[in-house]
Amino acid sequence: AQSVTQLGSHVSVSEGALVLLRCNYSSSVPPYLFWYVQYPNQGLQLLLKYTSAATLVKGINGFEAEFKKSETSFHLTKPSAHMSDAAEYFCAVSDRSGGSNYKLTFGKGTLLTVNP
Amino acid sequence: DAGITQSPRHKVTETGTPVTLRCHQTENHRYMYWYRQDPGHGLRLIHYSYGVKDTDKGEVSDGYSVSRSKTEDFLLTLESATSSQTSVYFCAIQGSHTEAFFGQGTRLTVV
Repeated sequence: AQSVTQLGSHVSVSEGALVLLRCNYSSSVPPYLFWYVQYPNQGLQLLLKYTSAATLVKGINGFEAEFKKSETSFHLTKPSAHMSDAAEYFCAVSDRSGGSNYKLTFGKGTLLTVNP
Repeated sequence: DAGITQSPRHKVTETGTPVTLRCHQTENHRYMYWYRQDPGHGLRLIHYSYGVKDTDKGEVSDGYSVSRSKTEDFLLTLESATSSQTSVYFCAIQGSHTEAFFGQGTRLTVV
């Protein structure tokens, strides 16, 4: 069974500082990987996805993530935090084998706080 | 936004009553999911569907049932609501080899 671990339930950074949100996965086959963002009282919005093309994936709002198979990691980064980045971020994994296995398994989420 | 609508958006119900939440899509996607979101637990899968009348259980399916009689609608029923089912419920839709799109959520309170 696949699983996702997000290290740190709460990350706090200063405006302009580097954002690093960590995600490690376990999967029996090379997976699809996703980062979603959730703003207060809203649904989840896709930030970026890895589906076996380039290992460095660029997403919306200046975020990017790198797939490292050897480390089973898919960490999310942004060079310079903005106040509007304050939200909860979820990493998710989906099996490639199709059928019922496309379903997403989520990590527990990381709440990002950006301090002025 | 992807064509996915959840109804109702908010509901307060009494313990022991049945409750049905509806998810409607206009994207003709094959896969539909129901998740619940609780603080400290992230999103947990309740049930999912991979086609009309094809459904399966997720990790927290006890006390819930689903039905999908047509592609566009996926219903989640709490057979006898309990306070532990107070949560925010999200529906998601997904095509093959694509990301999932989420609805805006239903905030359910069981009193």
